[in-house]
Amino acid sequence: DAGVIQSPRHEVTEMGQEVTLRCKPISGHDYLFWYRQTMMRGLELLIYFNNNVPIDDSGMPEDRFSAKMPNASFSTLKIQPSEPRDSAVYFCASSLGDWRTQYFGPGTRLTVL
Amino acid sequence: DQQVKQNSPSLSVQEGRISILNCDYTNSMFDYFLWYKKYPAEGPTFLISISSIKDKNEDGRFTVFLNKSAKHLSLHIVPSQPGDSAVYFCARSGGSYIPTFGRGTSLIVHP
Repeated sequence: DAGVIQSPRHEVTEMGQEVTLRCKPISGHDYLFWYRQTMMRGLELLIYFNNNVPIDDSGMPEDRFSAKMPNASFSTLKIQPSEPRDSAVYFCASSLGDWRTQYFGPGTRLTVL
Repeated sequence: DQQVKQNSPSLSVQEGRISILNCDYTNSMFDYFLWYKKYPAEGPTFLISISSIKDKNEDGRFTVFLNKSAKHLSLHIVPSQPGDSAVYFCARSGGSYIPTFGRGTSLIVHP
C-alpha cells in the first residue's frame, strides 16, 4: 500500500519564481497537513485540512504561501514569489480520524537561489 | 515562541546502553505528547505517545515519561541499537488539533 506521495523530491529555483509542491495522501485519510522543516525552527505546521476543507492556516508564514485541496487525493502548496528564506524541506502528512498518528511523506527539499 | 523545547541538538550513545531524549514544555494545557522518529531523506514516523493524565507509557524498548510538575517529557530507549540512530522530535497537542513540534534531537548509537 502506497504511503503519502510528494513531488518533486527536490526543487531548485531562483528567487521570484513560482513553486508548486504536490501531495497525494493515503487513500481514505481525512486529514492532511503541510509542514516545513528548517534548522532554526524545526518542524512547523503550516496548514491542515479536514475532508478537503482548510481548518487552520495560521502557520502559513505570509501571503506568498497558499495551499489547496481540490479533492481527497490531492493537495498543493504554492509559493509565489519564492524567496531564499523559503529554502527548507516541506512535508505533507495525512491521518485518519486520530490525527496524532500522522503518516508523513518523504518531503520536498526546496532550494531558492 | 516554541511551546515544546528540545535543548539538546544531539546525543551520542554506545550500543546496548540507555538513550534518554528530553523535552520541556511551557504550557500545561495539553492533551497528548508524542514522539516521532526521522531517518535522513524520509518523513517523520510516529513512535509513541502519552496522555497528560498518565506519567508513563511503554512500548517495547521505548518508554516515555511525563513529569507534569517539572513540565518535562523524556523518551528512554533501552537497549539502544544502531538502527535507532535518527532525529527524534517531541510534539504536543492541546485543545485544538494543531500539533507543535520541537526542533529535534539527533541520536547516534555507536556499535
